[in-house]
Amino acid sequence: QQPVQSPQAVILREGEDAVINCSSSKALYSVHWYRQKHGEAPVFLMILLKGGEQKGHEKISASFNEKKQQSSLYLTASQLSYSGTYFCGKEGGGATNKLIFGTGTLLAVQP
Amino acid sequence: DTGVSQNPRHKITKRGQNVTFRCDPISEHNRLYWYRQTLGQGPEFLTYFQNEAQLEKSRLLSDRFSAERPKGSFSTLEIQRTEQGDSAMYLCASSPSLGRQAFFGQGTRLTVV
Repeated sequence: QQPVQSPQAVILREGEDAVINCSSSKALYSVHWYRQKHGEAPVFLMILLKGGEQKGHEKISASFNEKKQQSSLYLTASQLSYSGTYFCGKEGGGATNKLIFGTGTLLAVQP
Repeated sequence: DTGVSQNPRHKITKRGQNVTFRCDPISEHNRLYWYRQTLGQGPEFLTYFQNEAQLEKSRLLSDRFSAERPKGSFSTLEIQRTEQGDSAMYLCASSPSLGRQAFFGQGTRLTVV
């Protein structure tokens, strides 16, 4: 039931773009995206609640295809500060809003 | 700082000992979650409180684990008779009753030797 992310890891030079994908084998009703730097707490980036929704946060944006049970995170003109591990999360159902996190994508941005 | 606070940040303990971690959520948040994260993996849900009521527990939470949230404020997570497999980062998160965004604390890193 854990969403699968691809790629597992990506190395970029500053200014390059990247796409991180998140796929679920079961229905995906909403997607949360987090970034976690080493030794730090996961930091919320955005949540997508509807199929077809797209959102942006600085130069980071995301799309959500409910039909395909997929979401993608787009990082444009990457900066050193974008380095970290990115997790998507799906809500586990019920009233708790607990998150089931994806497998993670390690992003390293080099000067 | 009005974020989620966790103590201690690091804990090293010998196998078989009991440990207790504390989480202070953002003050107006009535939803509180505990997650466990091992190296290279995403956080895994452990348990959920709405105010003082523990409404869901994961099957990951064996009978050696217990969590409380007295008076719906701070929460504690206790692990009894620790095992090496308990070594992980324990994360606490909170969210407001009408919101879906979870705010995470810095975590408590447990090492069982």
